[in-house]
Amino acid sequence: AQTVTQSQPEMSVQEAETVTLSCTYDTSENNYYLFWYKQPPSRQMILVIRQEAYKQQNATENRFSVNFQKAAKSFSLKISDSQLGDTAMYFCAFMPGTYKYIFGTGTRLKVLA
Amino acid sequence: DAGVIQSPRHEVTEMGQEVTLRCKPISGHDYLFWYRQTMMRGLELLIYFNNNVPIDDSGMPEDRFSAKMPNASFSTLKIQPSEPRDSAVYFCASRGTSGGAGANVLTFGAGSRLTVL
Repeated sequence: AQTVTQSQPEMSVQEAETVTLSCTYDTSENNYYLFWYKQPPSRQMILVIRQEAYKQQNATENRFSVNFQKAAKSFSLKISDSQLGDTAMYFCAFMPGTYKYIFGTGTRLKVLA
Repeated sequence: DAGVIQSPRHEVTEMGQEVTLRCKPISGHDYLFWYRQTMMRGLELLIYFNNNVPIDDSGMPEDRFSAKMPNASFSTLKIQPSEPRDSAVYFCASRGTSGGAGANVLTFGAGSRLTVL
């Protein structure tokens, strides 16, 4: 079975600090995509970052970067210089070639002033 | 583009009533997905369409749920009759198959919060 696991239900970080959210997945596929989505209290699901499995280079988007370890099936999200607006639920998602996007259970992140 | 548009944003109904949720995907996107989000079960894929054709409806919980996509710009998710355990946020999402930075990215609507009393 293809699964996504987020082992940290809740995390908090001080404003301006760095935090890392973990995600592991299980698949026998070789080519797939990985995503992090953010869901703020408004409940809108917003794409944070995307990684293609065949690319070894870790994706970055401004303050957001990933640590993609394909052999370990790990895909963590690092948020640098955390801001109050980063407070949200963060979902790791995985898409094998079947186009069925599989989501983790989420990590609730609270940025403290 | 206005993004994925869902209606209604909120729906409160009584058990046994019919509920219809609507979705307009992004123009040019050929995949459309319906998800349900609850605290207990997280985000569950209910059904997805490709070029208006249902591809996988294995996530539809039971016969009370049905989904249609009569054309490329409109889809509905219907629950009949509704039950309190159907209370959830229902998301519609679409994606295109063109390359570039948007390739394989799901774009979500704002969701429809359903409360069945």
